[in-house]
Amino acid sequence: KAGVTQTPRYLIKTRGQQVTLSCSPISGHRSVSWYQQTPGQGLQFLFEYFSETQRNKGNFPGRFSGRQFSNSRSEMNVSTLELGDSALYLCASSLSGQANQPQHFGDGTRLSIL
Amino acid sequence: AQSVAQPEDQVNVAEGNPLTVKCTYSVSGNPYLFWYVQYPNRGLQFLLKYITGDNLVKGSYGFEAEFNKSQTSFHLKKPSALVSDSALYFCAVRDGGNTPLVFGKGTRLSVIA
Repeated sequence: KAGVTQTPRYLIKTRGQQVTLSCSPISGHRSVSWYQQTPGQGLQFLFEYFSETQRNKGNFPGRFSGRQFSNSRSEMNVSTLELGDSALYLCASSLSGQANQPQHFGDGTRLSIL
Repeated sequence: AQSVAQPEDQVNVAEGNPLTVKCTYSVSGNPYLFWYVQYPNRGLQFLLKYITGDNLVKGSYGFEAEFNKSQTSFHLKKPSALVSDSALYFCAVRDGGNTPLVFGKGTRLSVIA
């Protein structure tokens, strides 16, 4: 069974630009969560989607947005990029997002802002 | 609000010795606890979870974790460490409601041959 696939793996952007990251969950998984990982702040929750609906949102500015499609694939968008947005962005999927289900992670997209 | 503390940034252990990576948590209800491992340039890999039942949980690659409700701890253990266990380990907690998974800051495990 294929795992969680994130594209692209690496991305370099400049301040002020916008970026879209993609995540394909494990087949059959309907819940997708996004996290930002930085050396200083660790793993921070961005948002969770289930059946195309945002179910939870973390404490990030409105420049960070996401969506989920009917095939459970998800995208996240960051507009007006800032230097502090440089991070590893991780996507995770689970069957239905219930608390007792482990999340399965992709290898992430490393975003560098120049 | 739920939270997780991993008190050690770094743990060093000799190959063949037992290892312990510590985790304490805080939740308002019953905790759902998880351990993940991250290797360089990779995502997080699920190791084990505690939902309910036996306090000793066994997981992948010979790892186990002990749930202690009175001490609100969920320490990760392995009887005999391997060099290949060297990685970054994350403890995470969720309560039973519709709240997101919260991670600790991570503990870097270094197993020395």
